Amino acid sequence: TQLLEQSPQFLSIQEGENLTVYCNSSSVFSSLQWYRQEPGEGPVLLVTVVTGGEVKKLKRLTFQFGDARKDSSLHITAAQPGDTGLYLCAGVYQGAQKLVFGQGTRLTINP
Amino acid sequence: ETGVTQTPRHLVMGMTNKKSLKCEQHLGHNAMYWYKQSAKKPLELMFVYNFKEQTENNSVPSRFSPECPNSSHLFLHLHTLQPEDSALYLCASSQAVASGGLSSYNEQFFGPGTRLTVL
Repeated sequence: TQLLEQSPQFLSIQEGENLTVYCNSSSVFSSLQWYRQEPGEGPVLLVTVVTGGEVKKLKRLTFQFGDARKDSSLHITAAQPGDTGLYLCAGVYQGAQKLVFGQGTRLTINP
Repeated sequence: ETGVTQTPRHLVMGMTNKKSLKCEQHLGHNAMYWYKQSAKKPLELMFVYNFKEQTENNSVPSRFSPECPNSSHLFLHLHTLQPEDSALYLCASSQAVASGGLSSYNEQFFGPGTRLTVL
């Protein structure tokens, strides 16, 4: 069974702080995505990474794909209350087509 | 607006009821999915329809019955559910490649979900 582990599962910090969440697997991904889900809504795609070592930025969010394409991180600079939500990583394993989700990191940014 | 709509948004039903969830996508995609999201569990893939053909049934109990009449619409028919089936049911769509397979990116666009409570 291919597992995709996210850490931490819960994170509560003050507005203005920086944070990093991680997504790890023992298998290689052909692509990996990050989604954000707000209460009462479905997940919304933030970014897709496909190349080992790739870095993508979305305003204050920086996404990195590991060189070996087995892990990824999401770094948020100067977090704001609007960043609050459930962050999900999801990957397509090499040779597969199905998208596998991690259990998510529930982020709370306190004003 | 994500381009994927789901109705109803909330549903409360008894164990003997029969109900249906509806999903519609306006993105021109040709693959559609049903997921179950429960507290403290990863998103669980239930069914995949690719070019209207069911390509995956992830060991889902027969009390859940999917239907995909065309590439824009997806239904989930529910009957004799159990309280443990209470969850957020999410529909998603993506673009399959011309050969009929799913894209190796498989970027999915989700609806807002139906919050189901089984009494």
